[in-house]
Amino acid sequence: DSGVTQTPKHLITATGQRVTLRCSPRSGDLSVYWYQQSLDQGLQFLIHYYNGEERAKGNILERFSAQQFPDLHSELNLSSLELGDSALYFCASSSKPPGYEQYFGPGTRLTVT
Amino acid sequence: GEDVEQSLFLSVREGDSSVINCTYTDSSSTYLYWYKQEPGAGLQLLTYIFSNMDMKQDQRLTVLLNKKDKHLSLRIADTQTGDSAIYFCAERTGFNKFYFGSGTKLNVKP
Repeated sequence: DSGVTQTPKHLITATGQRVTLRCSPRSGDLSVYWYQQSLDQGLQFLIHYYNGEERAKGNILERFSAQQFPDLHSELNLSSLELGDSALYFCASSSKPPGYEQYFGPGTRLTVT
Repeated sequence: GEDVEQSLFLSVREGDSSVINCTYTDSSSTYLYWYKQEPGAGLQLLTYIFSNMDMKQDQRLTVLLNKKDKHLSLRIADTQTGDSAIYFCAERTGFNKFYFGSGTKLNVKP
C-alpha cells in the first residue's frame, strides 16, 4: 500500500459526459501528479500540482482540468468524453528531496461507451 | 527531449539475472527511476538514481547509469517468478516533469 488513495476504482460513462476523479496524496506529501495509461500511448504525464499551485503540464487535453485543494487532495475533471479517453488514470504523490520519488495510487479505470 | 525508450519484452529463466535497458534523451534529467507494475495494480517504486551517480545497488537490484550515452539499466539478480511484471524507467527533468518509457514486460520461466 503506497498510501495514495484514488476514487472511484472503476467508472463507466457515455461519450459526451463529464467525470471527476479524486486523489488523496500520502500524508505529508505536497505534490500530486496525474497520469493517463492507455494501451497504445503508454503512461503519459498530464499535470503536476504542488501545494495547491499548478507546477508543470504535460500532454493534457484542453477538455481535461485539475485542481489541488487546501487539504492537498486533488481532482481531475474530464469533460466531453470520447471513446479514446478510456484508460487507467493514476495519481502519484512525491516525497521531498533528495529523491522526489513518486508513489502511485491504485488507479481509476475509466471506460467510455 | 522527452523520449524514453525501452525494449518491450524480456524472457529469462528462474535463477538467471535479468537486465532491462532504457535510453533517454533529455540531458537535463536529474533523477532516473525504475518502477514495477503488476497486473491490475499501480506502479511500485523500486529504486532511483541521481544523475551524478554511476551505480546504485539495493539488494537484488543494481542500477547502472551511463550519462554520456543516456543509458540506464536495471539488473535483477536471481530472478524469481514473482519478478514477472512490467518494468518502467522514468526520468525527472530539470523542468520538474516526469517521462516514462513504454515499459518492458519481464516473463520469468520456472
